[in-house]
Amino acid sequence: GAVVSQHPSWVICKSGTSVKIECRSLDFQATTMFWYRQFPKQSLMLMATSNEGSKATYEQGVEKDKFLINHASLTLSTLTVTSAHPEDSSFYICSASRQGWTEAFFGQGTRLTVV
Amino acid sequence: RKEVEQDPGPFNVPEGATVAFNCTYSNSASQSFFWYRQDCRKEPKLLMSVYSSGNEDGRFTAQLNRASQYISLLIRDSKLSDSATYLCVVNANTDKLIFGTGTRLQVFP
Repeated sequence: GAVVSQHPSWVICKSGTSVKIECRSLDFQATTMFWYRQFPKQSLMLMATSNEGSKATYEQGVEKDKFLINHASLTLSTLTVTSAHPEDSSFYICSASRQGWTEAFFGQGTRLTVV
Repeated sequence: RKEVEQDPGPFNVPEGATVAFNCTYSNSASQSFFWYRQDCRKEPKLLMSVYSSGNEDGRFTAQLNRASQYISLLIRDSKLSDSATYLCVVNANTDKLIFGTGTRLQVFP
C-alpha cells in the first residue's frame, strides 16, 4: 500500500500557542487529504477535506480559523491548531488519497496534549 | 440517525472462538465498504474491503447486504492478536470515508 507519513507523532504545548502537524504522501501524489480527530474511546471524526491548491472544506462544527489547513503541494498538507486549549488535546490523524482510488491511507497520527 | 452505526462492544471472547460484528449505514447511495482495524493509540489500518458477493481473507469473512444496508465481519478461530477495535467504514462516492464508532474486541486465553 501507499505510504503516508505524519509528523510529529506526539507534541505537548502550552495553552495559547499554535501547533503545526504535517502529513506527507511519500510514494504517490495525493490529490485529496483528510484530517480527522479522535477523542479517547470515540470514533474518528472528519474535520476537513483538502484538495491540492484549493481551500479546505470543513465539516460542520469545525472552526476553520482555529484549524488552519494548507495543501500547497500534492505530497504535503499541514494542519495548524491555533491558540490551542486543553480541550483541543486529542489524536489527530491525516489520510491521503488520489482521485479514482476508493481507499485512503493513513498517517501514524499525532497525539496533541495542551497543558 | 448516525451515518454508520456499530455496536461499541466490548466483545470478550476466548481464543478459538468465532465472533461476528455488524454495521449499518444510512446512505443508500454508498458505494464502497471497508473494515479497518485500529489498535490502541495507533492509526487505523485497512483489514479488508467488502464486496457485494462477499469475500474471505483467511480467518476473516466480510459480507454486504445492500437491501438491508448492513455489512458484517466474521472472525473465525480468534487469536489473542485479534484484540483491537474494528471500524466499519463507508464511502458514499464522495471520496470521504465515514467511520463507525468501532467495535472493541478482546480475545482472552
